[in-house]
Amino acid sequence: SQQGEEDPQALSIQEGENATMNCSYKTSINNLQWYRQNSGRGLVHLILIRSNEREKHSGRLRVTLDTSKKSSSLLITASRAADTASYFCATDANSGGSNYKLTFGKGTLLTVNP
Amino acid sequence: EAQVTQNPRYLITVTGKKLTVTCSQNMNHEYMSWYRQDPGLGLRQIYYSMNVEVTDKGDVPEGYKVSRKEKRNFPLILESPSPNQTSLYFCASSLPPGGRAAEQFFGPGTRLTVL
Repeated sequence: SQQGEEDPQALSIQEGENATMNCSYKTSINNLQWYRQNSGRGLVHLILIRSNEREKHSGRLRVTLDTSKKSSSLLITASRAADTASYFCATDANSGGSNYKLTFGKGTLLTVNP
Repeated sequence: EAQVTQNPRYLITVTGKKLTVTCSQNMNHEYMSWYRQDPGLGLRQIYYSMNVEVTDKGDVPEGYKVSRKEKRNFPLILESPSPNQTSLYFCASSLPPGGRAAEQFFGPGTRLTVL
């Protein structure tokens, strides 16, 4: 079953507006990551937040993590048409012994209209 | 240049004809994994490997095999492909997840069609 679930499934905004995407997960995690995927291409890592961190910034990206609610949000400020892509959260959790499993959500498709 | 390569990038085949999709990384990463991506289902993990000779099933392992004889290579084997394995496949590598920086580096994808 999917560990991370993004919300909304799709988001359409105008250039210059902010975009917020949410991710919920089910079990305790070590890290939560956000990735971006342009249509049909490989995913590209955006930002990683550890379970003991609450907020992290990288350029126009701001990620928050609330472990008590098992949720995270990704905020893209001052969006651009080039931000149009699918965004995925991924969580890693211990799957038994020394094995760790990384699980991706289904993604949010963001469309930024010029 | 640090990268993950996959071959082939596109493949059309027929039911039952064994195929292998290769994956290679040049970053000396211990952790490698295979995902398939299907519309409406997102990215699902097929198999992963924590290191050489250490592999484990992901969420959708049925119909697939993997091997990890060398650290840099992690081939995905479809012994008898079926149409429901038509999908976009991604290989990824990273340092081991679980407490350390675990940014995944993805390959460019392999689009497989099984007729």
